[in-house]
Amino acid sequence: GESVGLHLPTLSVQEGDNSIINCAYSNSASDYFIWYKQESGKGPQFIIDIRSNMDKRQGQRVTVLLNKTVKHLSLQIAATQPGDSAVYFCAERNSGSARQLTFGSGTQLTVLP
Amino acid sequence: DAGVIQSPRHEVTEMGQEVTLRCKPISGHDYLFWYRQTMMRGLELLIYFNNNVPIDDSGMPEDRFSAKMPNASFSTLKIQPSEPRDSAVYFCASRRGLRGETQYFGPGTRLLVL
Repeated sequence: GESVGLHLPTLSVQEGDNSIINCAYSNSASDYFIWYKQESGKGPQFIIDIRSNMDKRQGQRVTVLLNKTVKHLSLQIAATQPGDSAVYFCAERNSGSARQLTFGSGTQLTVLP
Repeated sequence: DAGVIQSPRHEVTEMGQEVTLRCKPISGHDYLFWYRQTMMRGLELLIYFNNNVPIDDSGMPEDRFSAKMPNASFSTLKIQPSEPRDSAVYFCASRRGLRGETQYFGPGTRLLVL
């Protein structure tokens, strides 16, 4: 049948647990990656970024891991809170693409009380 | 800083009407991006500017769409004539320089074309 929309991967976690959101990117030439959080009715909000010369970067309650060998990016959220419920997008930048970002389709994170 | 400002926040119009969306980037940012977000296609880049000059408009769906940036603090995205399939959320984002990788998004304009 015809798809009626994006089928976002979903992740449900209990409040207080850690969350891991995964992203596979396609372009081995990508040299910069960002995670965005988008709450309902709002624009994407920057969370954390990482360059391709790093494999890990930590922020406040968030950690991004980059595995260039398998072209995989993950976002870890520690002690997940109800306010973390949102759609999370990864974005990549190809160093040869005039510096545009390419966005993934997103993952819906739901924090259960 | 107030962040990226977009107006209107919501727009309902009838098919065939002209729609103009407005954006004020963050002061000092020299890159400005227009995106469209739909359930079907996700977040799509339409066009982006550097120092008020359009650099890549390959994402603009068709000639009904046009964008301008007359100065560093203002940009418009115009749809004329509008069609129901243009219904989406349109985001503006801005960024500082080549080394300023992070794009900051505005709150978006929700457009509904009846």
